[in-house]
Amino acid sequence: EADIYQTPRYLVIGTGKKITLECSQTMGHDKMYWYQQDPGMELHLIHYSYGVNSTEKGDLSSESTVSRIRTEHFPLTLESARPSHTSQYLCASSEWRFFHFGNGTRLTVT
Amino acid sequence: KNQVEQSPQSLIILEGKNCTLQCNYTVSPFSNLRWYKQDTGRGPVSLTIMTFSENTKSNGRYTATLDADTKQSSLHITASQLSDSASYICVVEGGANNLFFGTGTRLTVIP
Repeated sequence: EADIYQTPRYLVIGTGKKITLECSQTMGHDKMYWYQQDPGMELHLIHYSYGVNSTEKGDLSSESTVSRIRTEHFPLTLESARPSHTSQYLCASSEWRFFHFGNGTRLTVT
Repeated sequence: KNQVEQSPQSLIILEGKNCTLQCNYTVSPFSNLRWYKQDTGRGPVSLTIMTFSENTKSNGRYTATLDADTKQSSLHITASQLSDSASYICVVEGGANNLFFGTGTRLTVIP
């Protein structure tokens, strides 16, 4: 299995809370991504990074923000969570055309 | 519009039987087509990657085909096992790591 880790696996929080979803990879990949996946729906790219200090928004508009201070670390932050943010968030990294996905964080905002 | 459509949406088969999943795409330009397996509560895991010039590629009991002219792909699973129960996602790369995802086929293998 690829060495890309996401924490927490599951998170239930109240509306208005600030949260950070962690994603780390040990493969030294420059490119990293955050996808949002709702049940029965395709993955949507919300953020990506092509290296340290590089972050871009993806195809799907998201109120979350990301940072890339270190190659191996690509955290996603929601400043004020809302029920509409309830979803699964998948982190991925890639080298050339090979993508590796983490196991995701299932977020529920009540 | 770049789209990836998969069929069927869901499928139930008996253990030991074969099945074929379909993927049609309209992505252009085309770089490669991938099939991923996603177990419940897990991230997608790559099964195959095929470029324009590849018609078929196998990975154990999984065999993917690609017809770049008709923009169709299929994933054939032979002698299914209970552990094959998962979602199978067709993904097309349109270049520059732009991935277009299908909504997946949910396969359930029953004893």
